[in-house]
Amino acid sequence: DQQVKQNSPSLSVQEGRISILNCDYTNSMFDYFLWYKKYPAEGPTFLISISSIKDKNEDGRFTVFLNKSAKHLSLHIVPSQPGDSAVYFCAASAGYGNKLVFGAGTILRVKS
Amino acid sequence: DAGVTQSPTHLIKTRGQHVTLRCSPISGHKSVSWYQQVLGQGPQFIFQYYEKEERGRGNFPDRFSARQFPNYSSELNVNALLLGDSALYLCASSLGEFSSPLHFGNGTRLTVT
Repeated sequence: DQQVKQNSPSLSVQEGRISILNCDYTNSMFDYFLWYKKYPAEGPTFLISISSIKDKNEDGRFTVFLNKSAKHLSLHIVPSQPGDSAVYFCAASAGYGNKLVFGAGTILRVKS
Repeated sequence: DAGVTQSPTHLIKTRGQHVTLRCSPISGHKSVSWYQQVLGQGPQFIFQYYEKEERGRGNFPDRFSARQFPNYSSELNVNALLLGDSALYLCASSLGEFSSPLHFGNGTRLTVT
């Protein structure tokens, strides 16, 4: 039972363009969402989060959008840089807490 | 400041054996969580410990156990290893029980043969 789904296993984008990573969830109790980035041989690194009381949160080149009615969130990276190439995980929780439910990840490749 | 540290980085065990994985949280962090990441999947929650008490448990068999010490470091124990236990085991820490975000270590790669 996948409560958090990232349906695109991989995404390839040209340097300087926008990267859009998508995530869908099924559990209505989820009210806090996070994106993590993971490089090979390293642990996931926190990128950005959003609470369900918001529909958008920005941090530099990264913006997360939340559509609660569609149970969908997306991460926009503008402009994309080669160093952004990594696996991106969407995660959700019911309330602030440590029990995160992760998606399977999307491999982002930014070509220079 | 040091991040979350895990040891060992790699481990090879045989079916039926047991294993102990160790984690030291970021200084000042009192909550430690453990996640299992199987190849091709996202991390899956195993345990959360806060102030030495278990605060949450994921859908894992009783072969999996953990504890947290007075210095907030933690151990994850897995008994009677199965081939399916081969995975990357990630430890994460946070300031408090409900603090976010989690800060992950680089993990322990466990291979069961």
